[in-house]
Amino acid sequence: EAGVAQSPRYKIIEKRQSVAFWCNPISGHATLYWYQQILGQGPKLLIQFQNNGVVDDSQLPKDRFSAERLKGVDSTLKIQPAKLEDSAVYLCASSLRQGEDEQFFGPGTRLTVL
Amino acid sequence: QKEVEQDPGPLSVPEGAIVSLNCTYSNSAFQYFMWYRQYSRKGPELLMYTYSSGNKEDGRFTAQVDKSSKYISLFIRDSQPSDSATYLCAMKPHGNNRLAFGKGNQVVVIP
Repeated sequence: EAGVAQSPRYKIIEKRQSVAFWCNPISGHATLYWYQQILGQGPKLLIQFQNNGVVDDSQLPKDRFSAERLKGVDSTLKIQPAKLEDSAVYLCASSLRQGEDEQFFGPGTRLTVL
Repeated sequence: QKEVEQDPGPLSVPEGAIVSLNCTYSNSAFQYFMWYRQYSRKGPELLMYTYSSGNKEDGRFTAQVDKSSKYISLFIRDSQPSDSATYLCAMKPHGNNRLAFGKGNQVVVIP
């Protein structure tokens, strides 16, 4: 079974630029999550999708972050404009269905904002 | 007070030693408790999962939950160099998928 795929793996941008990350969950997984993991911290949930609907985006900084999962499969997370404090690893995870306990994580995208 | 406290201090142990990790939490609604292992430049992978209080053993790994003290532990017996990783505790209440993570403990097992 293929795991969660993410791209790019690394990205370096200057502050005020925009950036987008892509995630392809495990086939058949209805629930998709985006997490932000700042160096030395645990992951923090940014947004959760159930199919193509948003379940929880209460911790997403909506003035600069946006995410979509238009066809209920792939998802993109965008930051516009980026700030220095956005430097982090952005992890995508998926689970079979909402309430399913195990979340499978991708390798993450490491973002550096200069 | 953070919901989940995990002392992030790095831990170095000789091969074969017992590794002991723990987390405390403040939210009494947490019912599901997990330990994730994260290798460098990889995503976290689920290592142990426990519901409510009690112990769970899986090979060299033992997870303990004491809800009365709001305290969870992970023990690794006969530690191996391949156990060198960051270990994250995570927990969530019933009916909610939002995991609250600790900061993680970096463990180094020295051959």
